[in-house]
Amino acid sequence: EKVMTQSPATLSVSPGERATLSCRASQNVNNNLAWYQQKPGQAPRLLIYGGSTRATGIPVRFSGSGSGTEFTLTITSLQSEDFAVYYCQQYNNWPLYSFGQGTKLEIK
Amino acid sequence: QVQLVQSGGGVVQPGGSLRVSCEVSGFTLTNNDLHWVHWVRQAPGKGLEWVAFARYDGSNKYYADSVKDRFAISRDNSKNTLYLQMDVLTAEDTAVYYCAKGVGHYTGGDYYNWFDPWGQGTLVTVSS
Repeated sequence: EKVMTQSPATLSVSPGERATLSCRASQNVNNNLAWYQQKPGQAPRLLIYGGSTRATGIPVRFSGSGSGTEFTLTITSLQSEDFAVYYCQQYNNWPLYSFGQGTKLEIK
Repeated sequence: QVQLVQSGGGVVQPGGSLRVSCEVSGFTLTNNDLHWVHWVRQAPGKGLEWVAFARYDGSNKYYADSVKDRFAISRDNSKNTLYLQMDVLTAEDTAVYYCAKGVGHYTGGDYYNWFDPWGQGTLVTVSS
């Protein structure tokens, strides 16, 4: 089973600044990695797939990078609506899809 | 516009059973391998856990080890609805259950799927 580890668990950043979230896979997942945003009481929303491709309607301030075992989600110029929990998901190891434990992005 | 609308859920005693439903619109659960729908759950205050998936014709069904032999997927294509039947429930099954459309590709028997969009979720509480 591929274990996904996200860091940090909580990230405090001021509005307008940049946030960098990390996701590490225990084994190579190639570029088969997605990122989701989840706000309280809501379902997750797809942000990024294929490691770096933005989903439809996702603002350009969200970008993904990485391949293999190390991935990064970067959010530039943080807006108030960006403060949420972010999850990475590997889909390389079917049917054992796995998610990271999440990073909570909070207002500093 | 693709939408997934869930129903069912509620409170059930340990050892009991419950069924949750997921009605899809904007695409049809037709008899081909083009549209995929998965089940994912989230325990209170916890992260996401993939639970189950079945091919359009039910020929292959996949379950997480944590629910294998207790949960079963079915679908009624005429109603564009999927079901997750949950039996022998325990407190560890308490979670919000989501259905989500699988997007991506299918190669050599493997489904390379990310999830978009998701249903609104339905809470299943196992408690005496």
